[in-house]
Amino acid sequence: AQSVTQLDSQVPVFEEAPVELRCNYSSSVSVYLFWYVQYPNQGLQLLLKYLSGSTLVKGINGFEAEFNKSQTSFHLRKPSVHISDTAEYFCAVSHTGTASKLTFGTGTRLQVTL
Amino acid sequence: AAGVIQSPRHLIKEKRETATLKCYPIPRHDTVYWYQQGPGQDPQFLISFYEKMQSDKGSIPDRFSAQQFSDYHSELNMSSLELGDSALYFCASSIRQNYGYTFGSGTRLTVV
Repeated sequence: AQSVTQLDSQVPVFEEAPVELRCNYSSSVSVYLFWYVQYPNQGLQLLLKYLSGSTLVKGINGFEAEFNKSQTSFHLRKPSVHISDTAEYFCAVSHTGTASKLTFGTGTRLQVTL
Repeated sequence: AAGVIQSPRHLIKEKRETATLKCYPIPRHDTVYWYQQGPGQDPQFLISFYEKMQSDKGSIPDRFSAQQFSDYHSELNMSSLELGDSALYFCASSIRQNYGYTFGSGTRLTVV
């Protein structure tokens, strides 16, 4: 079985400040890792994913994440946030097997203010 | 680019009624997943289909059933609806190697 822990339920930050949303995972097998963003009353949009290769993954909207196997972490970062980044962010993991489901963390609410 | 289409977008049902949610995956995607997201909750996996066969099952109540048809679209059938079934239901699709799941916009089910 696999699990995901998002350590912060809410992260308040001022506009143009950097932000890091933390994600740790647990799995006995190889995994793929994902970050999704959900704006109010909307669906889940893929920000970025780690499948293999370089541990630093760049995604949309200026976000990036680093896969750290030894620490079983996949933290999401952005050097300068905007008001429009206010949303719920979900970290998710899946096995590398065929048609493997996603297991989500409980989400982190990023609140950007002026 | 084509996306995952879910219908209806909103659905209001009374307790003990039935509901059918539909999902049309991205063309050439052979795998469909269903998730339930309660208010303020993370999405919970319900069930998935690969090449029209059930591939995995999560926390799906016995009152719910689903299937994937020959054209790869999927339907989630929900019977004897309860207030607690009120949630956002997402469908996602992927190709066999699950290099990325694409989610639909969801169906918001309200049971009154």
